[in-house]
Amino acid sequence: GDSVTQMEGPVTLSEEAFLTINCTYTATGYPSLFWYVQYPGEGLQLLLKATKADDKGSNKGFEATYRKETTSFHLEKGSVQVSDSAVYFCALSYLGNQFYFGTGTSLTVIP
Amino acid sequence: DARVTQTPRHKVTEMGQEVTMRCQPILGHNTVFWYRQTMMQGLELLAYFRNRAPLDDSGMPKDRFSAEMPDATLATLKIQPSEPRDSAVYFCASGTQGADSGNTIYFGEGSWLTVV
Repeated sequence: GDSVTQMEGPVTLSEEAFLTINCTYTATGYPSLFWYVQYPGEGLQLLLKATKADDKGSNKGFEATYRKETTSFHLEKGSVQVSDSAVYFCALSYLGNQFYFGTGTSLTVIP
Repeated sequence: DARVTQTPRHKVTEMGQEVTMRCQPILGHNTVFWYRQTMMQGLELLAYFRNRAPLDDSGMPKDRFSAEMPDATLATLKIQPSEPRDSAVYFCASGTQGADSGNTIYFGEGSWLTVV
């Protein structure tokens, strides 16, 4: 079946460090891939998405590239800020149907 | 900005009481999801609806949970009777299903439930 696997957290980085959060997926077809972010006390918000292989999603300095050959959608940011501290979820979906979420990766950025 | 609205935001109730959570999806969205989030289990899908019809409620404990969409602007999740293990954050999300494979779902801010 379809599923998403994220790297275990928590992740702690110093401000301006480089961030990578790994996400791999198992899919029976050709899904869209998403990264959502959850700030403390809030719901999940869409961070970025990619709809087909080799597409790159980007937003707020974050990027992720849909890699079909490695079934991956790793999240990266070149220089994190304290305000990026949150929980990040990788997800896949077909045509807006059932969404499969990873377990979430908690990121803490320290000044 | 269009957004998913959930009520109540916070609820503390005693074991055995009925709890009803409500969700107003974004106008025009035809798909509604209910998720439960806990530290131990993470984000779990409880049920989802398309055009008000339930498509999948396999994640929901049937003996005490029920989910409905009385109309296109309201989704409800009911727990009767509630138990302490139901303490969690319950999220509603809405979206559109269709040929555009980039369709996204949008989450409400959640209903934080504590059963004592």
